Amino acid sequence: GAVVSQHPSWVICKSGTSVKIECRSLDFQATTMFWYRQFPKQSLMLMATSNEGSKATYEQGVEKDKFLINHASLTLSTLTVTSAHPEDSSFYICSARDGRRNTGELFFGEGSRLTVL
Amino acid sequence: DAKTTQPPSMDCAEGRAANLPCNHSTISGNEYVYWYRQIHSQGPQYIIHGLKNNETNEMASLIITEDRKSSTLILPHATLRDTAVYYCIVRPSPTSGTYKYIFGTGTRLKVLA
Repeated sequence: GAVVSQHPSWVICKSGTSVKIECRSLDFQATTMFWYRQFPKQSLMLMATSNEGSKATYEQGVEKDKFLINHASLTLSTLTVTSAHPEDSSFYICSARDGRRNTGELFFGEGSRLTVL
Repeated sequence: DAKTTQPPSMDCAEGRAANLPCNHSTISGNEYVYWYRQIHSQGPQYIIHGLKNNETNEMASLIITEDRKSSTLILPHATLRDTAVYYCIVRPSPTSGTYKYIFGTGTRLKVLA
């Protein structure tokens, strides 16, 4: 199946710093990618829809200035957590649709675990 | 809000069939049922999807009731590697252009040796 890769797999940062997470579709072009956040023992929560060449669409309650999303190419979307605080510590997961397939399935990255000290 | 309800947890003996139920009583006519699973600290993995007919692939079978208000994912011979959280998701047709998934709480399946 299609492959989506995230980098870094895990990151530890100090409070107040910004962290960038990359999401790449390795063998297909993705006009739309999705970013999720998952706290321990909880389900995935959709944060935003990332659209190539245009502004991301954020879900209600997600601060767009806090979680900057850039989808500058058909194979890369980035999520930047700005001025991170301990409460931003979470597992961040991206997903993408392979436009070559008409099955509606999404392909998910391996996730990026952020720990803010 | 998620349109599905699932039991929070289930146990299954290794080698036996695991039957995971999902209730989606408000499903509309053009909505599909998708199943994904998430092994600890990994991204979700697609398993199977269907509209109204039963479906089978190399991983699992999906049984959808005639009224489409519920479905069951069947892992025919569960192994320890099938221990994961299983999510049932209802979403529009693959050709609708809408790909946003809303995850419910899922079922935590533990396969016991």
